[in-house]
Amino acid sequence: GDSVTQMEGPVTLSEEAFLTINCTYTATGYPSLFWYVQYPGEGLQLLLKATKADDKGSNKGFEATYRKETTSFHLEKGSVQVSDSAVYFCALSRRSGGGADGLTFGKGTHLIIQP
Amino acid sequence: AAGVIQSPRHLIKEKRETATLKCYPIPRHDTVYWYQQGPGQDPQFLISFYEKMQSDKGSIPDRFSAQQFSDYHSELNMSSLELGDSALYFCASSLEVQGYEQYFGPGTRLTVT
Repeated sequence: GDSVTQMEGPVTLSEEAFLTINCTYTATGYPSLFWYVQYPGEGLQLLLKATKADDKGSNKGFEATYRKETTSFHLEKGSVQVSDSAVYFCALSRRSGGGADGLTFGKGTHLIIQP
Repeated sequence: AAGVIQSPRHLIKEKRETATLKCYPIPRHDTVYWYQQGPGQDPQFLISFYEKMQSDKGSIPDRFSAQQFSDYHSELNMSSLELGDSALYFCASSLEVQGYEQYFGPGTRLTVT
């Protein structure tokens, strides 16, 4: 079945540091890939997405590129802020473009940014 | 902008009781999804509905059922509750013409005692 593997946390960085959170996936076909962020006590917010190979999703300084050859969708940000502290989930949807399919999530990475 | 509304936000039930969770999607969204998130866990997909028909099914227990109504709101019915059902239940909604991008509600925290 489909699965998503992301680096274990917590990940602790200093403000303005470079961030990478690794995400790899296993899926049949051509899934869509997503990064969601969850702040304490809140629901999940879509951070960025990519629906086909070599697409780059970007939002709020975060970027991720859909790499079919390495089945990866690593999240990066050049300079993190304290407000970026949250749990980040990598996810996939089986069908390209989504479809009404449920998402398969990774275990989540807790990011802590220290001033 | 209007978001997904879930009610109630918090619910406390005893073992073997039943619970009903409600989800009101973003206006004009035609698809709803239900997820269960245990403490410190990733969300697990339960079930989805498109235009009031079941679309995809995940790891939903037989004790749970769900439906989508003519106004597109959805209800998740949970019977014979067990301690292990204590979790955060999220509803998400999407629109086919927007590529089924899922928008999540704030969740309902269910505690079974």
